[in-house]
Amino acid sequence: DQQVKQNSPSLSVQEGRISILNCDYTNSMFDYFLWYKKYPAEGPTFLISISSIKDKNEDGRFTVFLNKSAKHLSLHIVPSQPGDSAVYFCAASGNAGNMLTFGGGTRLMVKP
Amino acid sequence: DAGVIQSPRHEVTEMGQEVTLRCKPISGHDYLFWYRQTMMRGLELLIYFNNNVPIDDSGMPEDRFSAKMPNASFSTLKIQPSEPRDSAVYFCASSLGGRAYDEQFFGPGTRLTVL
Repeated sequence: DQQVKQNSPSLSVQEGRISILNCDYTNSMFDYFLWYKKYPAEGPTFLISISSIKDKNEDGRFTVFLNKSAKHLSLHIVPSQPGDSAVYFCAASGNAGNMLTFGGGTRLMVKP
Repeated sequence: DAGVIQSPRHEVTEMGQEVTLRCKPISGHDYLFWYRQTMMRGLELLIYFNNNVPIDDSGMPEDRFSAKMPNASFSTLKIQPSEPRDSAVYFCASSLGGRAYDEQFFGPGTRLTVL
């Protein structure tokens, strides 16, 4: 059973608009959440993270929101740019360790 | 630093053959991780090492899979015998520490195709 789920395999957004990528988790022991970005033929790269003691973390155009009661997090990209087109993975860890459980990924396509 | 280095980048083999994937972590990183990416299961952790010692191999799918880290700068993931369902992209990653906020740096991956 997947403990981290990204239910949308793909998302298409117009350049300049907001992209919202969603992630749900089932394990209540998860206390740290991360988003990774992956371009074709490259490994994933870290994008942004959030601890369970916060409900929001912002870094430039990227903001991650955490709703612990709903076991849901989302990544907002505003404004979206064509260079943001990639696969985005949500990941979670528990007990402050760095064993990461990843979701299946969402492919974002930002159209010019 | 050159980042995490993986070889080969692509591997095509026939069912039943032995496959060895190689990884050189970033110098000074104490943690090394092996992941597998498939369409069905996404990105899943297979095994990870701390200071060359395997800590958790619960993600290793079967006895056909084995991983070693003979020294701080080299690790291998071996599949023997290989099967078509092993076809996937295999990633190696390393991190400086073992906390959740210690960023994992991924290599470019090895795309394995088992015919």
